[in-house]
Amino acid sequence: EPEVTQTPSHQVTQMGQEVILRCVPISNHLYFYWYRQILGQKVEFLVSFYNNEISEKSEIFDDQFSVERPDGSNFTLKIRSTKLEDSAMYFCASSVNGGTYEQYFGPGTRLTVT
Amino acid sequence: AQTVTQSQPEMSVQEAETVTLSCTYDTSESDYYLFWYKQPPSRQMILVIRQEAYKQQNATENRFSVNFQKAAKSFSLKISDSQLGDAAMYFCAYSFRSGTASKLTFGTGTRLQVTL
Repeated sequence: EPEVTQTPSHQVTQMGQEVILRCVPISNHLYFYWYRQILGQKVEFLVSFYNNEISEKSEIFDDQFSVERPDGSNFTLKIRSTKLEDSAMYFCASSVNGGTYEQYFGPGTRLTVT
Repeated sequence: AQTVTQSQPEMSVQEAETVTLSCTYDTSESDYYLFWYKQPPSRQMILVIRQEAYKQQNATENRFSVNFQKAAKSFSLKISDSQLGDAAMYFCAYSFRSGTASKLTFGTGTRLQVTL
């Protein structure tokens, strides 16, 4: 069964460093998302992406964040200068269509900023 | 803005028994989708069940069923014949029906314990 994959599973970085989180969505999916979950809290939407551009972004997704689909398979989230409060689980999700179809989540990348 | 509320931070059920997890939501839209996601200790998000707002019939998936009350904006999940593997965090989520990418709005979750 096709699945969303994410790498790395765990990333430790120092405050102020840049990190890139990688995702490979399901191959026939057209809509891509990033969510984050701070430990013990709910899952929060960051950004959605379709047709090589951002469809919607939350207030969390400030100028420190960017997304890219550099090729036909990868979907990346970059944090330019990490802060302690960026420590969280980051989930990538994809769907074959827009809001009418369920989103399939990857296993997540745990980001720890020290 | 849409909001999703789960008022039960924790629930417990004995194996083989039935448990109901509550969820309410607020929206001004008439066409939307509701979901229940399961998050086991591995923290993977797994879709359990989906309900389209335009459908009056409640969705069912094997031991999982929902009670969707559109007028009351209520969307509860019933787990029948609970199993140890059902122990997890359960998140209720809302998505506006859209032709473009539509974000999921999650509730705060209910931690379900399953005891012998």
